[in-house]
Amino acid sequence: GAGVSQSPRYKVAKRGQDVALRCDPISGHVSLFWYQQALGQGPEFLTYFQNEAQLDKSGLPSDRFFAERPEGSVSTLKIQRTQQEDSAVYLCASSSRLAEYNEQFFGPGTRLTVL
Amino acid sequence: AQSVTQLDSHVSVSEGTPVLLRCNYSSSYSPSLFWYVQHPNKGLQLLLKYTSAATLVKGINGFEAEFKKSETSFHLTKPSAHMSDAAEYFCVVRYDKVIFGPGTSLSVIP
Repeated sequence: GAGVSQSPRYKVAKRGQDVALRCDPISGHVSLFWYQQALGQGPEFLTYFQNEAQLDKSGLPSDRFFAERPEGSVSTLKIQRTQQEDSAVYLCASSSRLAEYNEQFFGPGTRLTVL
Repeated sequence: AQSVTQLDSHVSVSEGTPVLLRCNYSSSYSPSLFWYVQHPNKGLQLLLKYTSAATLVKGINGFEAEFKKSETSFHLTKPSAHMSDAAEYFCVVRYDKVIFGPGTSLSVIP
Protein backbone atom coordinates (compact mmCIF):
# COMPACT_ATOMS: atom_id res chain seq x y z
CA GLY A 1 0.00 0.00 0.00
CA ALA A 2 1.55 3.20 1.22
CA GLY A 3 5.13 4.24 0.83
CA VAL A 4 7.66 4.95 3.55
CA SER A 5 6.27 7.29 6.17
CA GLN A 6 8.11 9.32 8.77
CA SER A 7 6.94 11.21 11.80
CA PRO A 8 6.99 13.89 12.86
CA ARG A 9 7.58 15.78 9.63
CA TYR A 10 8.98 18.73 11.54
CA LYS A 11 10.57 18.85 14.95
CA VAL A 12 11.93 21.82 16.85
CA ALA A 13 14.03 21.04 19.89
CA LYS A 14 15.92 23.12 22.36
CA ARG A 15 19.58 22.32 22.65
CA GLY A 16 20.06 19.52 25.13
CA GLN A 17 16.68 17.91 24.59
CA ASP A 18 16.27 14.31 23.46
CA VAL A 19 14.30 13.59 20.28
CA ALA A 20 12.89 10.45 18.70
CA LEU A 21 12.19 10.15 15.00
CA ARG A 22 10.01 7.39 13.64
CA CYS A 23 10.12 5.53 10.35
CA ASP A 24 7.46 3.18 9.01
CA PRO A 25 8.94 1.29 6.05
CA ILE A 26 7.02 -0.31 3.25
CA SER A 27 5.40 -3.46 4.57
CA GLY A 28 7.60 -6.49 4.08
CA HIS A 29 10.77 -4.56 3.30
CA VAL A 30 13.72 -6.26 4.89
CA SER A 31 16.26 -3.47 4.71
CA LEU A 32 15.97 -0.08 6.35
CA PHE A 33 18.37 2.83 6.12
CA TRP A 34 18.72 6.16 7.92
CA TYR A 35 20.38 9.18 6.34
CA GLN A 36 21.15 12.70 7.48
CA GLN A 37 20.82 15.51 4.94
CA ALA A 38 22.24 18.86 5.94
CA LEU A 39 21.02 21.96 4.14
CA GLY A 40 22.33 22.13 0.60
CA GLN A 41 24.09 18.78 0.77
CA GLY A 42 23.45 15.23 -0.27
CA PRO A 43 22.19 12.65 2.20
CA GLU A 44 24.83 10.95 4.30
CA PHE A 45 24.47 7.38 5.48
CA LEU A 46 23.88 6.88 9.19
CA THR A 47 22.90 3.28 9.77
CA TYR A 48 21.41 0.18 8.19
CA PHE A 49 19.15 -2.62 9.41
CA GLN A 50 18.36 -5.97 7.92
CA ASN A 51 15.20 -7.03 9.69
CA GLU A 52 15.88 -6.30 13.38
CA ALA A 53 19.64 -6.57 13.10
CA GLN A 54 21.63 -3.37 12.89
CA LEU A 55 24.34 -4.42 10.46
CA ASP A 56 26.09 -1.11 9.99
CA LYS A 57 26.10 1.91 12.26
CA SER A 58 29.36 3.36 11.08
CA GLY A 59 27.72 6.58 9.91
CA LEU A 60 26.30 7.60 13.28
CA PRO A 61 28.18 10.81 14.11
CA SER A 62 28.41 10.31 17.86
CA ASP A 63 27.25 8.12 20.70
CA ARG A 64 24.35 10.55 21.16
CA PHE A 65 22.74 8.91 18.12
CA PHE A 66 20.99 5.60 18.56
CA ALA A 67 18.72 3.64 16.24
CA GLU A 68 16.60 0.58 16.79
CA ARG A 69 14.22 -1.67 14.92
CA PRO A 70 13.16 -4.19 17.54
CA GLU A 71 10.57 -6.13 15.54
CA GLY A 72 12.07 -5.72 12.12
CA SER A 73 9.52 -3.21 10.89
CA VAL A 74 9.18 0.26 12.45
CA SER A 75 12.43 1.99 13.31
CA THR A 76 13.25 4.83 15.65
CA LEU A 77 16.24 7.14 15.47
CA LYS A 78 16.96 8.75 18.81
CA ILE A 79 19.21 11.70 19.37
CA GLN A 80 20.17 12.50 22.91
CA ARG A 81 21.23 15.92 24.19
CA THR A 82 20.67 17.54 20.81
CA GLN A 83 23.17 20.07 19.52
CA GLN A 84 22.73 22.78 16.90
CA GLU A 85 24.85 20.81 14.44
CA ASP A 86 22.23 18.05 14.56
CA SER A 87 19.84 20.33 12.65
CA ALA A 88 19.14 18.54 9.36
CA VAL A 89 16.58 16.50 7.50
CA TYR A 90 16.62 12.87 8.58
CA LEU A 91 15.63 10.49 5.82
CA CYS A 92 14.52 6.91 6.12
CA ALA A 93 14.56 4.45 3.23
CA SER A 94 13.53 0.84 2.85
CA SER A 95 14.38 -1.85 0.38
CA SER A 96 12.83 -5.21 -0.33
CA ARG A 97 16.00 -7.29 -0.49
CA LEU A 98 19.59 -7.16 0.49
CA ALA A 99 20.65 -7.40 -3.18
CA GLU A 100 22.94 -4.54 -4.03
CA TYR A 101 21.01 -3.36 -7.05
CA ASN A 102 17.74 -3.04 -5.26
CA GLU A 103 16.04 0.32 -5.20
CA GLN A 104 15.65 2.19 -1.94
CA PHE A 105 12.30 3.87 -1.38
CA PHE A 106 12.61 7.08 0.60
CA GLY A 107 10.27 8.70 3.04
CA PRO A 108 9.58 12.46 3.05
CA GLY A 109 12.01 13.03 5.91
CA THR A 110 11.86 14.69 9.30
CA ARG A 111 13.24 18.21 9.45
CA LEU A 112 14.91 18.70 12.81
CA THR A 113 15.75 22.18 13.99
CA VAL A 114 17.76 22.56 17.17
CA LEU A 115 17.63 26.01 18.73
CA ALA B 1 38.65 6.00 -0.75
CA GLN B 2 35.30 5.43 -2.38
CA SER B 3 33.66 8.64 -3.55
CA VAL B 4 31.28 10.15 -6.05
CA THR B 5 31.68 13.54 -7.68
CA GLN B 6 29.07 15.69 -9.35
CA LEU B 7 31.02 18.24 -11.30
CA ASP B 8 28.36 20.94 -11.40
CA SER B 9 26.57 22.22 -8.34
CA HIS B 10 24.09 24.05 -10.53
CA VAL B 11 22.98 23.67 -14.14
CA SER B 12 20.62 25.99 -15.96
CA VAL B 13 19.03 25.12 -19.31
CA SER B 14 16.27 26.51 -21.45
CA GLU B 15 13.06 24.55 -21.82
CA GLY B 16 13.28 22.20 -24.78
CA THR B 17 17.09 22.03 -24.80
CA PRO B 18 19.21 19.03 -23.77
CA VAL B 19 20.20 18.31 -20.19
CA LEU B 20 23.56 16.92 -19.11
CA LEU B 21 24.31 16.27 -15.44
CA ARG B 22 27.75 14.84 -14.82
CA CYS B 23 28.78 12.17 -12.33
CA ASN B 24 32.12 10.47 -11.77
CA TYR B 25 32.96 7.81 -9.24
CA SER B 26 36.19 6.48 -7.87
CA SER B 27 36.63 2.78 -7.57
CA SER B 28 38.82 -0.08 -8.55
CA TYR B 29 35.73 -2.04 -9.51
CA SER B 30 32.30 -1.20 -10.88
CA PRO B 31 29.81 -0.25 -8.20
CA SER B 32 26.04 -0.14 -8.42
CA LEU B 33 25.03 3.25 -9.73
CA PHE B 34 21.82 5.22 -9.37
CA TRP B 35 20.37 8.64 -10.10
CA TYR B 36 17.76 10.08 -7.74
CA VAL B 37 15.73 13.26 -8.07
CA GLN B 38 14.48 15.40 -5.20
CA HIS B 39 11.77 17.96 -5.83
CA PRO B 40 11.21 20.66 -3.22
CA ASN B 41 9.40 19.33 -0.17
CA LYS B 42 9.18 15.87 -1.69
CA GLY B 43 10.99 12.61 -1.06
CA LEU B 44 13.82 11.25 -3.14
CA GLN B 45 12.67 9.37 -6.22
CA LEU B 46 14.70 6.88 -8.23
CA LEU B 47 15.24 7.95 -11.84
CA LEU B 48 17.29 5.00 -13.00
CA LYS B 49 19.88 2.43 -11.95
CA TYR B 50 22.81 0.65 -13.51
CA THR B 51 22.86 -3.08 -12.89
CA SER B 52 25.58 -4.17 -15.36
CA ALA B 53 23.05 -5.57 -17.82
CA ALA B 54 23.48 -2.69 -20.28
CA THR B 55 25.71 0.36 -20.32
CA LEU B 56 22.93 2.66 -21.52
CA VAL B 57 20.19 2.83 -18.93
CA LYS B 58 16.77 4.34 -19.54
CA GLY B 59 14.82 5.80 -16.67
CA ILE B 60 11.61 7.61 -16.00
CA ASN B 61 10.53 10.93 -17.51
CA GLY B 62 12.78 10.56 -20.54
CA PHE B 63 16.06 10.49 -18.63
CA GLU B 64 18.87 8.11 -19.45
CA ALA B 65 22.44 7.55 -18.31
CA GLU B 66 25.44 5.86 -19.85
CA PHE B 67 27.93 3.88 -17.81
CA LYS B 68 31.49 4.35 -19.08
CA LYS B 69 33.91 2.23 -17.14
CA SER B 70 36.99 3.66 -18.85
CA GLU B 71 35.98 7.15 -17.72
CA THR B 72 34.43 6.04 -14.39
CA SER B 73 31.43 8.15 -15.34
CA PHE B 74 27.67 7.81 -15.22
CA HIS B 75 26.33 11.04 -16.71
CA LEU B 76 22.60 11.74 -16.78
CA THR B 77 21.01 13.13 -19.94
CA LYS B 78 17.66 14.11 -21.34
CA PRO B 79 17.09 15.28 -24.93
CA SER B 80 14.59 18.02 -24.10
CA ALA B 81 14.15 19.70 -20.74
CA HIS B 82 10.72 20.35 -19.31
CA MET B 83 9.81 22.88 -16.64
CA SER B 84 8.86 20.04 -14.31
CA ASP B 85 12.44 18.74 -14.43
CA ALA B 86 13.63 21.58 -12.20
CA ALA B 87 14.86 19.81 -9.06
CA GLU B 88 17.94 18.53 -7.23
CA TYR B 89 19.61 15.49 -8.76
CA PHE B 90 21.83 13.08 -6.87
CA CYS B 91 24.22 10.53 -8.28
CA VAL B 92 24.52 7.58 -5.92
CA VAL B 93 27.03 4.77 -5.78
CA ARG B 94 26.73 1.63 -3.73
CA TYR B 95 29.76 -0.37 -2.76
CA ASP B 96 29.51 -1.86 0.68
CA LYS B 97 27.94 1.45 1.64
CA VAL B 98 25.64 3.86 -0.15
CA ILE B 99 27.31 7.15 -1.03
CA PHE B 100 25.42 10.16 -2.34
CA GLY B 101 27.04 12.82 -4.45
CA PRO B 102 26.68 16.44 -3.36
CA GLY B 103 23.86 17.05 -5.82
CA THR B 104 23.25 19.19 -8.88
CA SER B 105 20.48 21.74 -8.87
CA LEU B 106 18.78 21.91 -12.27
CA SER B 107 16.96 25.07 -13.29
CA VAL B 108 14.81 25.19 -16.42
CA ILE B 109 14.25 28.59 -18.00
CA PRO B 110 10.98 29.10 -19.87
